[in-house]
Amino acid sequence: DIQLTQSPPFLSASVGDRVTITCRASRVISKYLAWYQQKPGRAPYLLIYAVSTLRSGVPSRFSGSGSGTEFTLTISSLQPEDFATYYCQQLHSYPETWTFGPGTKVETK
Amino acid sequence: EVQLVESGGGLVQPGGSLRLSCVASGFTFSDYSMNWVRQAPGRGLEYISAISTNGVSTYYANSVKGRFTISRDNSKNTLYLQLGSLRAEDMAVYYCARVSGGTLSFDIWGQGTMVTVSS
Repeated sequence: DIQLTQSPPFLSASVGDRVTITCRASRVISKYLAWYQQKPGRAPYLLIYAVSTLRSGVPSRFSGSGSGTEFTLTISSLQPEDFATYYCQQLHSYPETWTFGPGTKVETK
Repeated sequence: EVQLVESGGGLVQPGGSLRLSCVASGFTFSDYSMNWVRQAPGRGLEYISAISTNGVSTYYANSVKGRFTISRDNSKNTLYLQLGSLRAEDMAVYYCARVSGGTLSFDIWGQGTMVTVSS
Protein backbone atom coordinates (compact mmCIF):
# COMPACT_ATOMS: atom_id res chain seq x y z
CA ASP A 1 0.00 0.00 0.00
CA ILE A 2 1.04 3.57 -0.63
CA GLN A 3 1.71 5.51 2.55
CA LEU A 4 1.48 9.27 2.86
CA THR A 5 3.27 11.49 5.32
CA GLN A 6 2.65 15.18 5.90
CA SER A 7 4.91 17.79 7.39
CA PRO A 8 4.68 19.59 9.60
CA PRO A 9 1.90 17.98 11.66
CA PHE A 10 1.22 21.34 13.32
CA LEU A 11 1.93 24.80 12.03
CA SER A 12 1.58 28.07 13.91
CA ALA A 13 1.07 31.04 11.66
CA SER A 14 -0.36 34.54 11.53
CA VAL A 15 -2.78 36.17 9.16
CA GLY A 16 -0.88 37.22 6.08
CA ASP A 17 1.79 34.54 6.38
CA ARG A 18 2.79 32.29 3.51
CA VAL A 19 2.17 28.69 4.53
CA THR A 20 3.53 25.55 2.91
CA ILE A 21 2.51 21.99 3.74
CA THR A 22 4.34 19.00 2.29
CA CYS A 23 2.90 15.59 1.47
CA ARG A 24 5.23 12.71 0.65
CA ALA A 25 4.20 9.37 -0.83
CA SER A 26 5.99 6.07 -0.32
CA ARG A 27 6.09 5.58 -4.08
CA VAL A 28 5.28 7.49 -7.25
CA ILE A 29 1.62 8.46 -7.47
CA SER A 30 1.69 10.48 -10.65
CA LYS A 31 -0.95 13.22 -10.73
CA TYR A 32 -3.48 11.57 -8.44
CA LEU A 33 -3.11 13.78 -5.41
CA ALA A 34 -5.82 15.87 -3.80
CA TRP A 35 -5.93 18.30 -0.87
CA TYR A 36 -8.79 18.80 1.56
CA GLN A 37 -9.53 21.36 4.24
CA GLN A 38 -11.40 20.39 7.38
CA LYS A 39 -12.68 22.72 10.05
CA PRO A 40 -13.73 21.48 13.51
CA GLY A 41 -17.07 19.71 13.47
CA ARG A 42 -17.30 19.88 9.69
CA ALA A 43 -16.82 17.47 6.83
CA PRO A 44 -13.66 17.73 4.74
CA TYR A 45 -13.84 20.03 1.73
CA LEU A 46 -11.98 19.44 -1.52
CA LEU A 47 -9.59 22.27 -2.34
CA ILE A 48 -7.27 20.94 -5.02
CA TYR A 49 -7.25 17.87 -7.24
CA ALA A 50 -4.81 16.41 -9.75
CA VAL A 51 -1.93 17.97 -7.79
CA SER A 52 -2.52 21.56 -8.82
CA THR A 53 -6.05 22.16 -10.12
CA LEU A 54 -8.05 24.45 -7.90
CA ARG A 55 -11.66 23.47 -7.32
CA SER A 56 -14.07 26.04 -8.65
CA GLY A 57 -14.72 28.68 -6.02
CA VAL A 58 -11.57 28.03 -4.00
CA PRO A 59 -9.60 31.25 -3.49
CA SER A 60 -6.52 31.68 -5.62
CA ARG A 61 -4.31 32.08 -2.55
CA PHE A 62 -4.37 28.27 -2.42
CA SER A 63 -2.07 26.44 -4.80
CA GLY A 64 -0.70 22.95 -5.21
CA SER A 65 2.41 21.63 -6.85
CA GLY A 66 4.72 18.67 -6.98
CA SER A 67 5.27 15.42 -8.78
CA GLY A 68 6.34 11.88 -8.23
CA THR A 69 6.43 11.42 -4.50
CA GLU A 70 6.58 14.98 -3.13
CA PHE A 71 3.76 17.49 -3.21
CA THR A 72 3.02 20.81 -1.57
CA LEU A 73 0.01 22.88 -0.66
CA THR A 74 0.73 26.58 -0.38
CA ILE A 75 -1.43 29.34 1.04
CA SER A 76 0.09 32.56 -0.22
CA SER A 77 -1.43 34.86 2.40
CA LEU A 78 -3.17 33.13 5.27
CA GLN A 79 -6.65 34.42 6.04
CA PRO A 80 -8.63 33.99 9.29
CA GLU A 81 -10.91 31.41 7.66
CA ASP A 82 -7.91 29.27 6.66
CA PHE A 83 -7.14 28.06 10.17
CA ALA A 84 -8.05 24.40 9.79
CA THR A 85 -6.58 20.95 9.27
CA TYR A 86 -5.37 20.02 5.81
CA TYR A 87 -5.18 16.51 4.43
CA CYS A 88 -3.61 15.17 1.28
CA GLN A 89 -5.02 12.07 -0.40
CA GLN A 90 -3.60 9.83 -3.07
CA LEU A 91 -5.89 8.15 -5.58
CA HIS A 92 -3.27 6.33 -7.56
CA SER A 93 -4.61 2.78 -7.54
CA TYR A 94 -8.37 2.51 -7.87
CA PRO A 95 -9.86 2.02 -5.38
CA GLU A 96 -7.36 0.34 -3.16
CA THR A 97 -5.24 2.43 -0.89
CA TRP A 98 -6.95 5.73 -1.61
CA THR A 99 -5.28 6.78 1.59
CA PHE A 100 -5.19 10.11 3.33
CA GLY A 101 -2.20 11.73 4.88
CA PRO A 102 -2.22 12.20 8.66
CA GLY A 103 -3.10 15.88 8.40
CA THR A 104 -1.53 19.24 9.16
CA LYS A 105 -3.25 21.52 11.62
CA VAL A 106 -2.75 25.21 10.91
CA GLU A 107 -3.14 27.15 14.14
CA THR A 108 -2.97 30.79 15.02
CA LYS A 109 0.37 31.95 16.38
CA GLU B 1 -28.32 21.43 -4.59
CA VAL B 2 -25.89 18.54 -4.71
CA GLN B 3 -26.05 16.91 -1.32
CA LEU B 4 -25.32 13.78 0.69
CA VAL B 5 -27.09 13.20 3.98
CA GLU B 6 -26.04 10.42 6.33
CA SER B 7 -28.13 8.86 9.05
CA GLY B 8 -28.19 5.78 11.24
CA GLY B 9 -25.43 6.53 13.70
CA GLY B 10 -25.87 6.06 17.42
CA LEU B 11 -24.79 4.19 20.50
CA VAL B 12 -24.13 0.49 20.12
CA GLN B 13 -22.56 -2.09 22.40
CA PRO B 14 -19.32 -3.84 21.51
CA GLY B 15 -20.10 -6.73 19.22
CA GLY B 16 -23.26 -5.06 18.00
CA SER B 17 -24.43 -3.97 14.57
CA LEU B 18 -25.66 -0.81 12.91
CA ARG B 19 -26.65 0.26 9.41
CA LEU B 20 -25.69 3.65 8.12
CA SER B 21 -27.46 5.31 5.20
CA CYS B 22 -26.42 8.10 2.89
CA VAL B 23 -29.10 9.68 0.72
CA ALA B 24 -27.96 11.54 -2.36
CA SER B 25 -29.77 14.39 -4.07
CA GLY B 26 -29.09 16.93 -6.78
CA PHE B 27 -27.14 14.59 -9.05
CA THR B 28 -27.50 11.28 -10.87
CA PHE B 29 -26.45 8.96 -8.07
CA SER B 30 -26.01 5.93 -10.32
CA ASP B 31 -23.29 7.69 -12.30
CA TYR B 32 -20.88 7.89 -9.36
CA SER B 33 -18.74 5.55 -7.36
CA MET B 34 -19.22 6.14 -3.67
CA ASN B 35 -17.15 5.77 -0.53
CA TRP B 36 -17.20 5.73 3.23
CA VAL B 37 -14.55 7.56 5.23
CA ARG B 38 -14.41 7.63 9.00
CA GLN B 39 -12.75 9.84 11.59
CA ALA B 40 -12.20 8.74 15.17
CA PRO B 41 -12.41 11.50 17.80
CA GLY B 42 -9.37 13.75 17.52
CA ARG B 43 -7.87 11.65 14.74
CA GLY B 44 -7.37 11.87 11.00
CA LEU B 45 -9.38 10.58 8.07
CA GLU B 46 -9.52 6.85 7.36
CA TYR B 47 -10.78 5.62 3.99
CA ILE B 48 -12.64 2.40 4.69
CA SER B 49 -14.87 1.34 1.82
CA ALA B 50 -15.82 1.98 -1.79
CA ILE B 51 -18.45 0.75 -4.21
CA SER B 52 -18.71 1.02 -7.96
CA THR B 53 -21.58 2.66 -9.80
CA ASN B 54 -23.53 -0.57 -10.25
CA GLY B 55 -22.56 -2.04 -6.89
CA VAL B 56 -20.69 -4.96 -8.38
CA SER B 57 -17.22 -3.93 -7.24
CA THR B 58 -16.50 -3.17 -3.63
CA TYR B 59 -13.41 -2.41 -1.57
CA TYR B 60 -12.71 -2.58 2.14
CA ALA B 61 -9.81 -1.44 4.24
CA ASN B 62 -8.20 -4.21 6.23
CA SER B 63 -9.47 -2.62 9.44
CA VAL B 64 -13.10 -3.34 8.51
CA LYS B 65 -12.88 -6.23 6.06
CA GLY B 66 -15.18 -9.09 7.00
CA ARG B 67 -17.16 -6.95 9.46
CA PHE B 68 -18.58 -4.11 7.35
CA THR B 69 -20.59 -4.35 4.13
CA ILE B 70 -21.09 -1.55 1.65
CA SER B 71 -24.07 -1.55 -0.70
CA ARG B 72 -26.21 0.81 -2.69
CA ASP B 73 -29.74 1.11 -4.04
CA ASN B 74 -29.63 3.30 -7.11
CA SER B 75 -33.44 3.33 -7.31
CA LYS B 76 -33.47 5.03 -3.91
CA ASN B 77 -30.35 7.16 -4.41
CA THR B 78 -29.00 5.63 -1.24
CA LEU B 79 -25.65 4.27 -0.11
CA TYR B 80 -25.42 1.94 2.86
CA LEU B 81 -22.79 0.70 5.24
CA GLN B 82 -23.66 -2.27 7.42
CA LEU B 83 -21.42 -2.31 10.47
CA GLY B 84 -20.98 -5.56 12.36
CA SER B 85 -18.91 -7.01 15.21
CA LEU B 86 -18.31 -3.47 16.35
CA ARG B 87 -15.29 -2.66 18.47
CA ALA B 88 -14.31 0.34 20.52
CA GLU B 89 -11.90 1.38 17.79
CA ASP B 90 -14.79 1.67 15.32
CA MET B 91 -16.13 4.64 17.23
CA ALA B 92 -15.96 7.54 14.80
CA VAL B 93 -17.83 9.98 12.63
CA TYR B 94 -18.68 8.20 9.40
CA TYR B 95 -18.80 10.23 6.21
CA CYS B 96 -20.05 9.21 2.81
CA ALA B 97 -18.31 10.85 -0.12
CA ARG B 98 -18.78 10.97 -3.86
CA VAL B 99 -15.95 10.19 -6.23
CA SER B 100 -15.66 12.63 -9.07
CA GLY B 101 -14.30 10.62 -11.94
CA GLY B 102 -13.44 13.74 -13.85
CA THR B 103 -11.29 15.15 -11.09
CA LEU B 104 -10.45 11.85 -9.36
CA SER B 105 -11.17 13.20 -5.94
CA PHE B 106 -13.86 13.13 -3.29
CA ASP B 107 -15.76 16.21 -4.34
CA ILE B 108 -18.95 15.94 -2.28
CA TRP B 109 -19.15 14.84 1.36
CA GLY B 110 -22.02 14.27 3.70
CA GLN B 111 -22.17 15.95 7.09
CA GLY B 112 -21.25 12.74 8.90
CA THR B 113 -22.98 10.49 11.40
CA MET B 114 -21.45 9.53 14.74
CA VAL B 115 -21.12 5.92 15.82
CA THR B 116 -20.38 5.37 19.50
CA VAL B 117 -19.34 1.91 20.63
CA SER B 118 -19.66 1.50 24.35
CA SER B 119 -21.19 -0.81 26.93
